[in-house]
Amino acid sequence: QVQLVQSGAEVKKPGASVKVSCKASGYKFTNYGITWVRQAPGQGLEWMGWISPYTDNTNFAQKFQGRVTMTTDTSTNTAYMELRSLTSDDTAMYYCAREMAVTGTDYWGQGTLVTVSS
Amino acid sequence: DIQMTQSPSSLSASVGDRVTITCRASLYISNYLTWFQQKPGKAPKSLIYAASSLQSGVPSRFSGSGSGTDFTLTISSLQPEDSATYYCQQYNSYPLTFGGGTKVEIK
Repeated sequence: QVQLVQSGAEVKKPGASVKVSCKASGYKFTNYGITWVRQAPGQGLEWMGWISPYTDNTNFAQKFQGRVTMTTDTSTNTAYMELRSLTSDDTAMYYCAREMAVTGTDYWGQGTLVTVSS
Repeated sequence: DIQMTQSPSSLSASVGDRVTITCRASLYISNYLTWFQQKPGKAPKSLIYAASSLQSGVPSRFSGSGSGTDFTLTISSLQPEDSATYYCQQYNSYPLTFGGGTKVEIK
């Protein structure tokens, strides 16, 4: 069965960086994109960006341009999202999800809570 | 960016009621729309893709319709386990965008 398993919760200080991993299983990793979405406490869903494990092409939301890096490792079927220059506004649950152009986003990881606090 | 406007933002209905949630896109998105269900403390779950296609394993009381800019999610007979927040998302073009969510409560 399709599974996306994310790394554990992180606590970071303002100005630091965080790198979240997302290990995929149960499907051919390079056949689907990986999208990253975050959700601040009590708020809605916010799309951050997308990466193709097949081509390494990426597309980011403008507000994260220059501050986010998305990569994949096809040898371990793992996607990574690194966010730099963290502020308290980045405190949120971060999700990875599988995406395909025709069917959209279907399977989601369990989420990784990132807390930014001094 | 394409703006997605959901309504209502919340609703309260009784078990067995028919519930309808609407989502309007600011630009034409064909049928590139997904509906998600999210329960507290859980990741979103995809219910409907391509505006009207039911994801595998999703109960048939959920249905989606619409194309272009106006879309609807319908729960034909509300069940207690349907208490959740529902989001629409367009995937016609980047950046992908979500509606603001509709919180469904059971009376």
